[in-house]
Amino acid sequence: QVHLQQSGPGLVKPSQTLSLTCAISGDSVSSNSGAWNWIRQSPSRGLEWLGRTYYRSSKWYNDYAVSVNSRITINADTSKNQFSLQLNSVTPEDTAVYYCTSGPGGMDVWGQGTTVTVSS
Amino acid sequence: DIQMTQSPSSLSASVGDRVTITCRASQTISSYLNWYQQKPGKAPKLLIYAASSLQSGVPSSFSGSGSGTDFTLTISSLQPEDFATYYCQQTYSTPITFGQGTRLEIK
Repeated sequence: QVHLQQSGPGLVKPSQTLSLTCAISGDSVSSNSGAWNWIRQSPSRGLEWLGRTYYRSSKWYNDYAVSVNSRITINADTSKNQFSLQLNSVTPEDTAVYYCTSGPGGMDVWGQGTTVTVSS
Repeated sequence: DIQMTQSPSSLSASVGDRVTITCRASQTISSYLNWYQQKPGKAPKLLIYAASSLQSGVPSSFSGSGSGTDFTLTISSLQPEDFATYYCQQTYSTPITFGQGTRLEIK
């Protein structure tokens, strides 16, 4: 049974970097059939997919939403079996609940969610 | 980007009712369509994947159909625990996109 555990700060100052980590149990971040996503949810934007990382044929791939493409990095850490989100130069519009999820298709496992507020 | 449009945006129904929610994609997505249920303060829960496959552990009162651009989620007999917000999602291409949600309320 796969479980995702999120960690990271709930308050970030404007112009700084939002950093969150998602630890995986019950599966491997380097699985050749998995994909590891970050999604956020806010009243103004609804559910918004931010990006994903996945491992195929000995190579890592990333896909990012255009809306955050210049500010986002998603990395996998195989030694800790986890993946992370970094979002640079945040503004109050980045205030949201952030989720990590599994699955290249239907996202059947979700982290518990982290409410991130961007405020000075 | 593929736009996902759900209708209705909100719906009032009674326990025991049959309810249908529709989702339309702005271009064909084959069967790469998933449905989620979300309750306040909780993460979305996968109900249906690949348009019509029931996720393990989800009651058989939930069903999905459609392909191409038009999809439906049907709840055959509403239970009290089914009152929630429902979202469709396409995973045909990136960026992965969601519908705006359908809020199902008790009449």
